[in-house]
Amino acid sequence: GENVEQHPSTLSVQEGDSAVIKCTYSDSASNYFPWYKQELGKRPQLIIDIRSNVGEKKDQRIAVTLNKTAKHFSLHITETQPEDSAVYFCAASPLGRTGTASKLTFGTGTRLQVTL
Amino acid sequence: EAQVTQNPRYLITVTGKKLTVTCSQNMNHEYMSWYRQDPGLGLRQIYYSMNVEVTDKGDVPEGYKVSRKEKRNFPLILESPSPNQTSLYFCASSSRVGGISGANVLTFGAGSRLTVL
Repeated sequence: GENVEQHPSTLSVQEGDSAVIKCTYSDSASNYFPWYKQELGKRPQLIIDIRSNVGEKKDQRIAVTLNKTAKHFSLHITETQPEDSAVYFCAASPLGRTGTASKLTFGTGTRLQVTL
Repeated sequence: EAQVTQNPRYLITVTGKKLTVTCSQNMNHEYMSWYRQDPGLGLRQIYYSMNVEVTDKGDVPEGYKVSRKEKRNFPLILESPSPNQTSLYFCASSSRVGGISGANVLTFGAGSRLTVL
């Protein structure tokens, strides 16, 4: 099955700096890569996702890059703010013939702390 | 309001006493899934369902059962709970229709914290 490794497990940055979280996956059949943010005591929520036919995707201060050859993908957060403090999870899944990501495998999470 | 509702939110039980965690969604989603979250291990998939009467094992199905008799409901059953099933459980659902914006985006419930003594 799929194995997703995520690094670092904790990350502390100063407000305004950039943060980068990296993930590697093992199954070459995976082609859908979402990132979820979980604030303390809350449920995970999707912040951005990417499919393997795209190498990079941006949404305001957040970007994700994908290197399918090397089987790794990264989350980039620029101009970090205190409200970015949370646990971030990467995930990977193949998309079935109907486009469903049925078996989403998550990384172990990165706790991001943005300090003032 | 579009949501996934789990109950109970908190439960303390004893080894061997059967329990069910209910999950209901009001978004007409085809896909539903259960995850457990443990410190340092992230979110691990227990079971998932592609549609009514269609269920399949995730990565950690041992000790759990599920059913999908109705589209909106996906209960998680622990027939004989053990202490190693102490965890935070999340139910999630998504539209499975490929090509439509929002497909595969998981909407999570608020979580159910289970302690087995």
